[in-house]
Amino acid sequence: DSGVTQTPKHLITATGQRVTLRCSPRSGDLSVYWYQQSLDQGLQFLIQYYNGEERAKGNILERFSAQQFPDLHSELNLSSLELGDSALYFCASSVTGDYTGELFFGEGSRLTVL
Amino acid sequence: DQQVKQNSPSLSVQEGRISILNCDYTNSMFDYFLWYKKYPAEGPTFLISISSIKDKNEDGRFTVFLNKSAKHLSLHIVPSQPGDSAVYFCAASVRIQGAQKLVFGQGTRLTINP
Repeated sequence: DSGVTQTPKHLITATGQRVTLRCSPRSGDLSVYWYQQSLDQGLQFLIQYYNGEERAKGNILERFSAQQFPDLHSELNLSSLELGDSALYFCASSVTGDYTGELFFGEGSRLTVL
Repeated sequence: DQQVKQNSPSLSVQEGRISILNCDYTNSMFDYFLWYKKYPAEGPTFLISISSIKDKNEDGRFTVFLNKSAKHLSLHIVPSQPGDSAVYFCAASVRIQGAQKLVFGQGTRLTINP
């Protein structure tokens, strides 16, 4: 158990819909990261927050947005969903915003768009 | 632009022998390299890391080697055990515009045969 909690674990929805994925970081971790893993692909970095502020942005589509709340939990919002958005979405957390140490990953939220 | 590549999607090794997982990168600005291990239905977990100023880091059965001139990273597991069967991701970090970013490879599925 990494201490990072992601909900929901599985989500099935239709094209054009909007979903919200939630992440609670490990206690004490200030930084939250979102990654997308599509079939046979590596982990694609989407976005990072540190203590409520956006820290770094990766290949995140304009249809996607995220935020980190004062209690440090984070939400990833995916809208106008397309079939290609079907993927495993991971949240990770770390104490600092740097990558010299390990990231702690949640179990992921599997999104299926039909 | 795949900056971190794991060219072998899968690898099969006999129990007790050495497993060698390889990773190539293109960006000479990467300053930290990490290996993560992922079991099915779980998030990736940190395994071992190495700074770009070193060429070797060892932790028990796991050793990571870095060849900067060849832009090549490898993970050695010896002796290999059945519990090592998992997907292994190579990752590299770089500081871009004041923020650290982590780039993952596509992963290599390691199977340890009894």
